[in-house]
Amino acid sequence: EPEVTQTPSHQVTQMGQEVILRCVPISNHLYFYWYRQILGQKVEFLVSFYNNEISEKSEIFDDQFSVERPDGSNFTLKIRSTKLEDSAMYFCASSLQGTQYEQYFGPGTRLTVT
Amino acid sequence: AQSVTQLGSHVSVSEGALVLLRCNYSSSVPPYLFWYVQYPNQGLQLLLKYTSAATLVKGINGFEAEFKKSETSFHLTKPSAHMSDAAEYFCAVSGGTGANNLFFGTGTRLTVIP
Repeated sequence: EPEVTQTPSHQVTQMGQEVILRCVPISNHLYFYWYRQILGQKVEFLVSFYNNEISEKSEIFDDQFSVERPDGSNFTLKIRSTKLEDSAMYFCASSLQGTQYEQYFGPGTRLTVT
Repeated sequence: AQSVTQLGSHVSVSEGALVLLRCNYSSSVPPYLFWYVQYPNQGLQLLLKYTSAATLVKGINGFEAEFKKSETSFHLTKPSAHMSDAAEYFCAVSGGTGANNLFFGTGTRLTVIP
C-alpha cells in the first residue's frame, strides 16, 4: 500500500541553525501538508501546498518557514533559524484532492532544538 | 471557525467492553469530520470519515461514529475493546469550503485493561 515517508526520523539541531525536513508524498496525490505536534499538545496545521504554491497557511507558518517541491517526488519544510519552541514532531501528509478527501500522514520527524 | 473538543484526555476500558470516545465540533459550514488513530512512534492513520453522506460511518478495526448535527457531535465507538486498540485517538474537522487543512482535537489516550 502506498505510504508517505519522511526523513530523518529524528533531527537534533542547535538554536539558530537551518533545518530541512523531507517528505515523499504518495505519488498520485495533488495536495501536500505539514503539521506539527508539540509534545503533549494537539496536532496543528502549518501549511498546505497545491499546484506548486501555498494554498493555505496558519499563523504559525511565519517568515522563518518555507516549503518547496523541488522535484516530482519530494516535499520539504525549511526552518531558517530554529528556535527552542520549534521543537516538535513534524508530520507531512498528502491527499488526492482537497477538503473532504482523506489525508495520509507520514510517521513524522522529531525535531529537537537545543 | 472550525474546532473540535475531545472530552477526556484519558479513557480506560476493560478488554471486551464498549469503547466511547467523545468529540464535539464547531463549524461555520457543513463539516467534514475525521477520526485518526496514532500508535506509539507512528504517524496518524485514518479510522473513518464523515463527508455528508450516511450519518453512521463505519471504519476500520470495528470502529464507527455517528454524526449528530443537533448535538454537534461525532463520537467514536467500538462494541468490544481489544488490547490492540490501545493508542491515541484524534478527532478532526476540515477547514470548510475551499479549505483543506484539518483542525485536530487534543486527543484521547485509550488504555485497554486485560
